[in-house]
Amino acid sequence: DVKVTQSSRYLVKRTGEKVFLECVQDMDHENMFWYRQDPGLGLRLIYFSYDVKMKEKGDIPEGYSVSREKKERFSLILESASTNQTSMYLCASRRRLAGGPSYNEQFFGPGTRLTVL
Amino acid sequence: GQQLNQSPQSMFIQEGEDVSMNCTSSSIFNTWLWYKQEPGEGPVLLIALYKAGELTSNGRLTAQFGITRKDSFLNISASIPSDVGIYFCAAQTIQGAQKLVFGQGTRLTINP
Repeated sequence: DVKVTQSSRYLVKRTGEKVFLECVQDMDHENMFWYRQDPGLGLRLIYFSYDVKMKEKGDIPEGYSVSREKKERFSLILESASTNQTSMYLCASRRRLAGGPSYNEQFFGPGTRLTVL
Repeated sequence: GQQLNQSPQSMFIQEGEDVSMNCTSSSIFNTWLWYKQEPGEGPVLLIALYKAGELTSNGRLTAQFGITRKDSFLNISASIPSDVGIYFCAAQTIQGAQKLVFGQGTRLTINP
């Protein structure tokens, strides 16, 4: 049974704190993703990683950074949390795509609901 | 950037009714997907569509990939209480990283 786990389901932090959100997958997937989910906006891609030590900016990377030191783990870092980063954060993983147009399913974790006060 | 416009944003229906939601874009995609998210969980894939015009069913769910490759719809027939949740359309970009772009979501509420 495939599994993506996230370190916390709920997190409350203060403005200016450094925040780490951890994601682990057990499917040996090469690609991993971080999204944030906000009402009326759907899921928006923050960062993704093709493989270990590789990262690329998504659509809304400002205020975030990521780390991928091991294949199974992808961390999202908020260097200095702000109230507008209060959101639901979802991690996903996917097997590397074959060459050319192709599709592999993204599997999602349960999400971390972060509140920044 | 590429955007998907999903409608309606919310639906309140009676158990047993049919449901229809759709997604449109000004961009062309090569894969359309429909996900469901239940409270406290991440999205789970319901249906994936790979060819323009393709019509695919999964139990009471039916989805179609539009001929123009710019839209898709999802129908749920004879709704039941466990259909409650947020439904997202998503499409995979053709170029580059082949990322997913998501619609805004449709929140489905069912009155028993």
